[in-house]
Amino acid sequence: QKEVEQNSGPLSVPEGAIASLNCTYSDRGSQSFFWYRQYSGKSPELIMFIYSNGDKEDGRFTAQLNKASQYVSLLIRDSQPSDSATYLCAVGVSNDYKLSFGAGTTVTVRA
Amino acid sequence: DGGITQSPKYLFRKEGQNVTLSCEQNLNHDAMYWYRQDPGQGLRLIYYSQIVNDFQKGDIAEGYSVSREKKESFPLTVTSAQKNPTAFYLCASSSGTGLQPQHFGDGTRLSIL
Repeated sequence: QKEVEQNSGPLSVPEGAIASLNCTYSDRGSQSFFWYRQYSGKSPELIMFIYSNGDKEDGRFTAQLNKASQYVSLLIRDSQPSDSATYLCAVGVSNDYKLSFGAGTTVTVRA
Repeated sequence: DGGITQSPKYLFRKEGQNVTLSCEQNLNHDAMYWYRQDPGQGLRLIYYSQIVNDFQKGDIAEGYSVSREKKESFPLTVTSAQKNPTAFYLCASSSGTGLQPQHFGDGTRLSIL
């Protein structure tokens, strides 16, 4: 059973600060890593994906992958109140149609 | 506009009743999935389908059934055997293996009358 672990939070950050979310995974063969944002009462929305070690930036979001240490992180720069949501980490492999999801980290950005 | 359409948005089930949740996608995706999400909890996989006329059980398939007669459609039936059906049900699709992201519909919220 592949496991994906996230701190449940809540992670409270002031507006304009950097929010740092971490995700660890148990399957060393994992090849794909996704971050989803889920607002309360809504469905998950894909915001980032990364396949290779290192950093990948998209606007205010940066995904960081370290396969040797089996963790992937998401940084949200210049956090806004609209970033308040639950962030889900998901991990996949090429020979399995299923993704393994973490339980999510709730982020609250305080004005 | 490509996407995944789930209906209805809200559904109420009476005791002993089977109800069917609809999921349609026009993304031309091969794989489709059903998840259940309870308040404050993560996603739990109910069923998934890699191809038409084929589907596999997920982690919590008991009390649920699915069909995949068309590539675009993957309906989920919540049977009377599911004693605690109140939850947020999410349908997703992807273009292939676990290297591809899953994209979600807006969800159906099911409650017991």
